[in-house]
Amino acid sequence: KNQVEQSPQSLIILEGKNCTLQCNYTVSPFSNLRWYKQDTGRGPVSLTIMTFSENTKSNGRYTATLDADTKQSSLHITASQLSDSASYICVVGGYSTLTFGKGTMLLVSP
Amino acid sequence: SQTIHQWPATLVQPVGSPLSLECTVEGTSNPNLYWYRQAAGRGLQLLFYSVGIGQISSEVPQNLSASRPQDRQFILSSKKLLLSDSGFYLCAWSALGLAGGPSTDTQYFGPGTRLTVL
Repeated sequence: KNQVEQSPQSLIILEGKNCTLQCNYTVSPFSNLRWYKQDTGRGPVSLTIMTFSENTKSNGRYTATLDADTKQSSLHITASQLSDSASYICVVGGYSTLTFGKGTMLLVSP
Repeated sequence: SQTIHQWPATLVQPVGSPLSLECTVEGTSNPNLYWYRQAAGRGLQLLFYSVGIGQISSEVPQNLSASRPQDRQFILSSKKLLLSDSGFYLCAWSALGLAGGPSTDTQYFGPGTRLTVL
C-alpha cells in the first residue's frame, strides 16, 4: 500500500531560525515527489518537484532533498520568516497515482 | 495564465440538505480536474478526478458525486449531506496525464470552500 509519512506533525521555531521537515514514503513505482505549502484556509501551492534522478531542488529559502534509495525527502527552510507559518505537504506521484502526506504544521514565532 | 475559481467560499448547510459546489478553470484546455476534502486536522483526501468531459473516477465510496458537464467545469454534489461531510473542499487542475489517468504533474489548487454541516 502506498504511504507517505511526514514528521514532525507540528513544529514551532523562532523567526530567523532554520528548520527541516521530513517525508518518508513507500510508493511504487515512483514518479516524482513534490512539496506543497498550504496557508491556513487556502489551497496548497507547489514549492518544489523532484524526479528520481534529482537529489536536490531549491526555491528561494526552500531546499528539498530526495534520497530515492532510502525513499526519504526533506524540506529545509532557511532564515525562517513569519510568512513561512503554514502546513507543508509532501506528495509522491506514482504511475497515475498521487499519495499525500498529512502535512507538517509549522509555526514561526516572532 | 491559468486561473481556477471555486464558489461559494463558505457554506453552512443543515444535515440532509443538498449540496452543489462549482469549480471552473480558465486559460487551459483538457485539464485533469480533481476534488479533494480536507477535514479538520487531517490531510488531503482525493474524492474524484476527471480526465475529460463526462469522465469521473471516484476514489472513495461516499454520498457525494461529481460531474463534468464542460471541459473546464467540475461540480461536486450531494443529495443529502451528513455531519461527516463538513470540511474544506478543494478543486485542482493539472495537465492531462499520458496514461489517461490522474496526472502526476503539478496540481494547481483553487481557493477552497469551507463547508459546515449542522
